[in-house]
Amino acid sequence: DAGVTQSPTHLIKTRGQQVTLRCSPKSGHDTVSWYQQALGQGPQFIFQYYEEEERQRGNFPDRFSGHQFPNYSSELNVNALLLGDSALYLCASSLSGAGANVLTFGAGSRLTVL
Amino acid sequence: AQSVTQPDIHITVSEGASLELRCNYSYGATPYLFWYVQSPGQGLQLLLKYFSGDTLVQGIKGFEAEFKRSQSSFNLRKPSVHWSDAAEYFCAVGRVNDYKLSFGAGTTVTVRA
Repeated sequence: DAGVTQSPTHLIKTRGQQVTLRCSPKSGHDTVSWYQQALGQGPQFIFQYYEEEERQRGNFPDRFSGHQFPNYSSELNVNALLLGDSALYLCASSLSGAGANVLTFGAGSRLTVL
Repeated sequence: AQSVTQPDIHITVSEGASLELRCNYSYGATPYLFWYVQSPGQGLQLLLKYFSGDTLVQGIKGFEAEFKRSQSSFNLRKPSVHWSDAAEYFCAVGRVNDYKLSFGAGTTVTVRA
C-alpha cells in the first residue's frame, strides 16, 4: 500500500521564479493538505483541498496556490519566490469527515531559494 | 486560535532510560491531540492521537501519552528508549470542524549509548 508520495524531493530556484510541487495521496484518501516546515520549526498549515476545491487556508499569501485533480492528487504552486520560501514542503493526505485531522505525511520536497 | 508549546528544545537520554516530552496547548474546548515523529530527511509519522475517551493513549513503538485537561497538557512517554528513537518529536492540536493542525516547534531527542 503506497503511502503519500511527493516530487521532486529536492529543488533549487532563484528569487522571483515559480515552482510546482506534486503530491499523490495514500490509497483510499481523498483529502490533501500542504504544510511548510522552515528549518528548526514545526510545520505550518498552508491549505487543504477536498473535492478539487480549497476547503481551508492558513496564513499564507496568494503567491501560494494549489490544485487538486479528480484522482485526488495535488499540486502546490508558489509564484515570485522569496528567500524566505526556502523550506521543506510537506503534503499530507487524509479521509474526509471525522478522519480529516488524521494525517499521513509524505517525505517532503526540500525547496532552496537562492 | 489554538497554539502548542513544547518547552524542551532538546533532550538527551541514555539508551534504556525513560523519556518524557512535554506538550502544552491553548484551546478553549476539548482538542484533538497528536504526537508525530520525524527522522532526519523524512516526513512525519503519527505516533498516537487523542480525540476523546480514555485519557491515557497507547501508540506505536511503545509510546504512550496522557491528556490532562486541568493542565492543558498532552505529554509523551516511553519507559525504555532505544537508539532508534533519536528523532524530532512534534505535538499538534486540531479541533472539531477545523481541518488544520497547529504544531509545536518540536523537541529533538538524542540517545546516548
